[in-house]
Amino acid sequence: KQEVTQIPAALSVPEGENLVLNCSFTDSAIYNLQWFRQDPGKGLTSLLLIQSSQREQTSGRLNASLDKSSGRSTLYIAASQPGDSATYLCAVKSGGATNKLIFGTGTLLAVQP
Amino acid sequence: EPEVTQTPSHQVTQMGQEVILRCVPISNHLYFYWYRQILGQKVEFLVSFYNNEISEKSEIFDDQFSVERPDGSNFTLKIRSTKLEDSAMYFCASRSYTDTQYFGPGTRLTVL
Repeated sequence: KQEVTQIPAALSVPEGENLVLNCSFTDSAIYNLQWFRQDPGKGLTSLLLIQSSQREQTSGRLNASLDKSSGRSTLYIAASQPGDSATYLCAVKSGGATNKLIFGTGTLLAVQP
Repeated sequence: EPEVTQTPSHQVTQMGQEVILRCVPISNHLYFYWYRQILGQKVEFLVSFYNNEISEKSEIFDDQFSVERPDGSNFTLKIRSTKLEDSAMYFCASRSYTDTQYFGPGTRLTVL
């Protein structure tokens, strides 16, 4: 059974710092991995999706990498801003016929001005 | 930019009552999903829907739950007899033939 965990659970950094969020999954047979942002009491905003055949994806100040064999993904945020403060979730879609996303526990990020 | 919308944003109901949560997926999307997030816990998959039928459901999605696409735009989740443990944020999501799932803002369901 696929399990997804995220470390750290919470992170506080000063504005301008570069940071890395970690996501690990127990079954490496994934189809893709998606990173989301969730603001308090709000929905999930898709940030990046990496297919299993890809090593990384970039969007603006965000860069997500995937190492399928070791069951890890990282989300790198460059030059963090207070507006980046949110919970960041990773979710995997396993291989095979499944459609569902299996979510991690999330990392609560606070960027201090 | 097209968005998934959900109504109501907050629903309060008494235990044992039926509730219907509504979603309008992005218009050209073909795959539809419901997830829920109990306060402080992970987002959990409930059900996926494609071509007017359920394509996959979790063990949470028992006989008390049902989904429907009554017309070309709405996608609903019905809970027949709500329980206290159904209190959660319910998210609708949709996607096209690409893999990215787009989520709505959620409906907060409170069962008293």
